[in-house]
Amino acid sequence: AQSVTQLDSQVPVFEEAPVELRCNYSSSVSVYLFWYVQYPNQGLQLLLKYLSGSTLVKGINGFEAEFNKSQTSFHLRKPSVHISDTAEYFCAVIRFSGGYNKLIFGAGTRLAVHP
Amino acid sequence: GAVVSQHPSRVICKSGTSVKIECRSLDFQATTMFWYRQFPKQSLMLMATSNEGSKATYEQGVEKDKFLINHASLTLSTLTVTSAHPEDSSFYICSARDRRTGNNQPQHFGDGTRLSIL
Repeated sequence: AQSVTQLDSQVPVFEEAPVELRCNYSSSVSVYLFWYVQYPNQGLQLLLKYLSGSTLVKGINGFEAEFNKSQTSFHLRKPSVHISDTAEYFCAVIRFSGGYNKLIFGAGTRLAVHP
Repeated sequence: GAVVSQHPSRVICKSGTSVKIECRSLDFQATTMFWYRQFPKQSLMLMATSNEGSKATYEQGVEKDKFLINHASLTLSTLTVTSAHPEDSSFYICSARDRRTGNNQPQHFGDGTRLSIL
């Protein structure tokens, strides 16, 4: 079954520095990957998605991710972070189960941007 | 963009009471909605898949009689936590998929409900 592993539970970084949040997936079939952001006490907001096509995906708020099939990775990157990027980030994959396409989340990575 | 409204945002109640949480898609129709549970500093765990006009499909380990789901229309799904106890305290989040889009397209999430059982 498809699953995702987020390798870092927390990532501290200084403002205006680049950041990479790692995500690896396991799958034997077609892969559909997503990154979501969650601010405190809120739901999830979609940052970007990979369904097919170009392996470099650009999302909102200056984030991008690269789908790497050989390394089964979908790491999230931003060249220069802001204080407002402090949040929880979730990588997710579609899993077909019980007749439905369900979204399965990784454990999450807490991004803490310091001044 | 697509908006999912979840109500209430926060509820505090006594042990033994039942609590209903609503999830509405405001500007699109959703034949399928999903209910997740999130413990502090943890990921979202899928509880059940809600289908308009039919019974919900529950994930393994989720008590059907404890978490009642009703999807009465294409824009509304409700989750009722019956006879709630302190261990049911959690953050509950719903999501919905626009029926006009493919099954691999992103889901739209509500802002969640913080449930605290005293």
